[in-house]
Amino acid sequence: QVQLQESGPGLVKPSGTLSLTCAVSGDSISTSNWWSWVRQTPGKGLEWIGEIFHSGSTNYNPSLKSRVTISVDRSKDQFSLNLTSVTAADTAVYYCARSLGAALDYWGQGTLVTVSS
Amino acid sequence: QPVLTQPPSVSGAPGQRVTISCTGSSSNIGAGYDVHWYQQLPGTAPKLLIYGNNNRPSGVPDRFSGSKSGISASLAITGLQAEDEADYYCQSYDRSLSGSRVFGEGTKLTVL
Repeated sequence: QVQLQESGPGLVKPSGTLSLTCAVSGDSISTSNWWSWVRQTPGKGLEWIGEIFHSGSTNYNPSLKSRVTISVDRSKDQFSLNLTSVTAADTAVYYCARSLGAALDYWGQGTLVTVSS
Repeated sequence: QPVLTQPPSVSGAPGQRVTISCTGSSSNIGAGYDVHWYQQLPGTAPKLLIYGNNNRPSGVPDRFSGSKSGISASLAITGLQAEDEADYYCQSYDRSLSGSRVFGEGTKLTVL
C-alpha cells in the first residue's frame, strides 16, 4: 500500500519560506512516476503547485514558478517543497501526491500551513 | 476565471442519478487531454475516483462513471447514497499553461 506523509512547520512568517517534505512508503520514489504538490486554501478548491521526477526534472505552475522549488532525495524516498516570499494568501492545506499518468492516485493526508506573524 | 468550470452544487435524493459537468476549452479538454475526477469527503484528502475519462481505480463502485465529449466532461453517480455527499473535482492538463495540471473549482454534492 502506497502511503505519503507530509511534514513541516505549521506556521510561517510573512515574507518567509515555506518548507515541507513528503515521505513515501510502499513504493520507491525512483519508479516511473511523477510526484506532485497540491494545495487547498481554506474553503476553496485545489491548486496544483508542481511536480518532480526522480531524475530531478520538474514542472511548475506558472503562477507560482518564480517562488517554488521542488527537490527529491532518492536515498530517503522523499521529496520536498520550498515556497519563498509567502503571504497570507499562501495559507492552505498542502498535499503531496503520486502521479498515475496524468492523474494523482495516492495522496498524503495533508498538512495545514498558516502564514502569520 | 477558472480554467475548468463546474457547477458549485448539485443535489439528489437517495437512489437517484446525478451528473456533474466540467467544462474546459480548446487548450485543455478540447485539446484531447484526459479528464480525471476526485472525491473529497469532509476533512479528508481527495481520492481518485475516475482516471482517463472513464476508468475506475480498484475499489471504486461502478455507480460512478465518467464521460468526455468535446470541451466537456461529466461525472455520473447512480443509486445515490448518503455517503456520496462530498466535494467533487475534475482535473486535466492545460497546454496554454506550460502543461500544468489544472483543477475545476469543485462541486458540492448534497444527498437530500
